[in-house]
Amino acid sequence: GAGVSQSPSNKVTEKGKDVELRCDPISGHTALYWYRQSLGQGLEFLIYFQGNSAPDKSGLPSDRFSAERTGGSVSTLTIQRTQQEDSAVYLCASSLRGQDNSPLHFGNGTRLTVT
Amino acid sequence: GENVEQHPSTLSVQEGDSAVIKCTYSDSASNYFPWYKQELGKRPQLIIDIRSNVGEKKDQRIAVTLNKTAKHFSLHITETQPEDSAVYFCAASSGGGADGLTFGKGTHLIIQP
Repeated sequence: GAGVSQSPSNKVTEKGKDVELRCDPISGHTALYWYRQSLGQGLEFLIYFQGNSAPDKSGLPSDRFSAERTGGSVSTLTIQRTQQEDSAVYLCASSLRGQDNSPLHFGNGTRLTVT
Repeated sequence: GENVEQHPSTLSVQEGDSAVIKCTYSDSASNYFPWYKQELGKRPQLIIDIRSNVGEKKDQRIAVTLNKTAKHFSLHITETQPEDSAVYFCAASSGGGADGLTFGKGTHLIIQP
């Protein structure tokens, strides 16, 4: 079946511009996560959506970062006024959450380069 | 909150030898411990997981052990092959949402021919 889909796969933007990254989770998965992975680093949690509950935004590094999830499905991560330190791979993951600790299914990520 | 430490950061082994990656966690309420493999340029993928009601789980050449008392768990890969080269991430979860899943910083496993 279809996995988690992210677009674009690569994005190059100029410092100061806004960018939008899209995630289409696996159908039926109620939980959606955004992570950031800098070169050679681990997975940094950004934000978590679960069903219709208020999102857990505790990992967002600054107020330039925001995300929304429309209709409990597709999610968009927006970075305003991008900085060079925002350059990283942004990974989206979804999970079933019909049961405790269901595995995460990751997308291929969006590689963001801020010049 | 949970804190997961992972060691080593880089591990180089000869093809055919075994590899062991170790993780410790801080939250005694954690009850689920997945391992993800990320090949170069690809997405992380779940390779094996263990829950706190068992001490060991095997899947072909891969095994995971859990010591709840000491709060550490390990990934064991036997008869390593070139395709095992990747970054491996451990994680611990207490089942409480996103902040219940904490990743280690990853181990870069290199299989030498």
